[in-house]
Amino acid sequence: DIQMTQFPSSLSASVGDRVTITCQASQDISNHLNWYQQKPGKAPKVLIYDASKLETGVPSRFSGSGSGTDFTFTINNLQPEDIATYYCQKYDNLSWTFGQGTKVELK
Amino acid sequence: EVQLVESGGGLAQPGGSLRLPCAASGFSFSNYWMSWVRQAPGKGLEWVANIKQDGGEKYYVDSVKGRFTISRDNAKNLLFLQMNSLRAEDTAVYYCARILEVGATYYFDSWGQGTLVTVSP
Repeated sequence: DIQMTQFPSSLSASVGDRVTITCQASQDISNHLNWYQQKPGKAPKVLIYDASKLETGVPSRFSGSGSGTDFTFTINNLQPEDIATYYCQKYDNLSWTFGQGTKVELK
Repeated sequence: EVQLVESGGGLAQPGGSLRLPCAASGFSFSNYWMSWVRQAPGKGLEWVANIKQDGGEKYYVDSVKGRFTISRDNAKNLLFLQMNSLRAEDTAVYYCARILEVGATYYFDSWGQGTLVTVSP
């Protein structure tokens, strides 16, 4: 099975900062990588699909890049409403796997 | 508006069974892959199972294979998760999720509110 490693597990940043989260796959997954945001007590919400495509309605300060085994998720100009836990998720025919999550907090 | 509403959660004994329904509305249910995703208290998300539009393909995470069964009733717009031989580590909020399929692209685009399953003596 392909394993996903996401880091850091948590980070603190200030409003206006740039935040970067990394996800690594144990094997090449092409661009089959999605990013979700989850706020406490709520269901997750997709932000980025296919590694770099912004879901409709998601602010442009969110972005994703990467292909193969190494992926990056970025929040430019962090806003208070971005405080949440973020997950990467890979998909293929047989299994879908989430990363461990990154909790983003305000400094 | 897409709506997914899970129910059936509650307290179960170790070794016991529960069946979780998810009622879908606001979209053509039979046209979509569907999924169950769970989240243990204070932990991350874990994909549990997927089912194809016609129920002909099903995939599971290794930890539930042979114990859980995903199924669907397209006539009634219902998704199910039958959970048998429950273990303490199955304690989690269980989410029903719709999979958006666009060509070779797949992602969870709609989620229910979740239902809590607690496995304890």
